[in-house]
Amino acid sequence: SFVLTQPPSVSVAPGKTARVTCVGDNIGSHSVHWYQQKPGQAPMLVIYYDGDRPSGIPERFSGSNSGITATLTISRVEAGDEADYYCQVWDSVSDHLVVVFGGGTKLTVL
Amino acid sequence: DVQLVESGGGLVQPGGSLRLSCAASGFTFSDHYMDWVRQAPGKGLEWVGRARNKANSYTTQYAASVKGRFTILRDDSKNSLYLQMNSLKTEDTAVYYCARVLLEDAFDIWGQGTMVTVSS
Repeated sequence: SFVLTQPPSVSVAPGKTARVTCVGDNIGSHSVHWYQQKPGQAPMLVIYYDGDRPSGIPERFSGSNSGITATLTISRVEAGDEADYYCQVWDSVSDHLVVVFGGGTKLTVL
Repeated sequence: DVQLVESGGGLVQPGGSLRLSCAASGFTFSDHYMDWVRQAPGKGLEWVGRARNKANSYTTQYAASVKGRFTILRDDSKNSLYLQMNSLKTEDTAVYYCARVLLEDAFDIWGQGTMVTVSS
């Protein structure tokens, strides 16, 4: 089945740009969605269909997807952005739906 | 407000059964696909399964890890989604979230989750 690989951790200083990658075989042919999860909370959608933002998500959050890598970019990082981030796609295996999540990346704001 | 509220979690012995509920409010529940996603303690997210809407014949699909043991049901008259879990295993221990599906693809609304612990 489809596998999504994320780095376990990313660290960034406040005000800088954080990039979280999600690697998968020909992921560029899939629509990628990104979720933010803070400790003790449910996940929250921050990017859908590669680069669209739900209402209420700051413009600092953006996404891209091409080839084998999708990337969540967070500009002007704030302390409140510290969280786990998950990428997600759906795939079809023998005509059966499979929803796949990456393993998650812990973003630490230094 | 758009909201999903899960309930029904608890401690159950291996081999036992449990039924989770998810109450929806603030949106037209019957229009949407609804999914269950779980998260084992300290681990990542794992998709459990999907219940499509009436327009798609209420069809369901499941992850391989739960197929044949779990059943997803929905009652549009009660704006509710259910997860019937049978033959539970210790590895089913997790927080279970219900989630609204956006455009058949992403999860745009999540409940707060309910904890299921399978242990003797």
